[in-house]
Amino acid sequence: EVQLLESGGGLVQPGGSLRLSCAASGFTFSSYAMSWVRQAPGKGLEWVSAISGSGGSTYYADSVKGRFTISRDNSKNTLYLQMNSLRAEDTAVYYCAKDPYDYIWGSYRSYWGQGTLVTVSS
Amino acid sequence: EIVLTQSPGTLSLSPGERATLSCRASQSVSSSYLAWYQQKPGQAPRLLIYGASSRATGIPDRFSGSGSGTDFTLTISRLEPEDFAVYYCQQYGSSPPNTFGGGTKVEIK
Repeated sequence: EVQLLESGGGLVQPGGSLRLSCAASGFTFSSYAMSWVRQAPGKGLEWVSAISGSGGSTYYADSVKGRFTISRDNSKNTLYLQMNSLRAEDTAVYYCAKDPYDYIWGSYRSYWGQGTLVTVSS
Repeated sequence: EIVLTQSPGTLSLSPGERATLSCRASQSVSSSYLAWYQQKPGQAPRLLIYGASSRATGIPDRFSGSGSGTDFTLTISRLEPEDFAVYYCQQYGSSPPNTFGGGTKVEIK
């Protein structure tokens, strides 16, 4: 059974940093692309970042480019999202998601974690 | 960037009724690379449909997807109490970003 468990969310001041983690199990982690998708309170879904199975290819939405860094440790079956220079508009639930294959440029999200809330406020 | 417009914003129906949700793209979605997700309050989204019409693992056959080009439809043949939720479409046929629609809420009438 695929399981994705996010952690690392919390309250941070504008301009601050936070690192999210996603522990994966139930599948061969290194064989699949992974994504982060966020949802602001009461709003829709936004695909934030994605990374290939090897970690060699990455994608960032324009809204986070230059501030967020996605990475993975295949030896630990863990996905990360380093978030710097946080803004109030980054406040959202951040979901870790497994893609159905190892291709980040066009895919859907086949499994989702339960999400972790990031609140950016002074 | 392809923009997806979902309609209606809210659909008020009774259990047992048929629900028809629309997702319209601003440009043609190549190879019918369109997915549908269901999200219940306080829960993560769940994949229902991919490739416009293929049901994901474990999804009941009362859920069906159809369409191509710019017009796609999610149909729930007979609404069960657990189907009242928000539904999102997402296209993945073009270069990133793989955009989501704004969602349709299916509520109990």
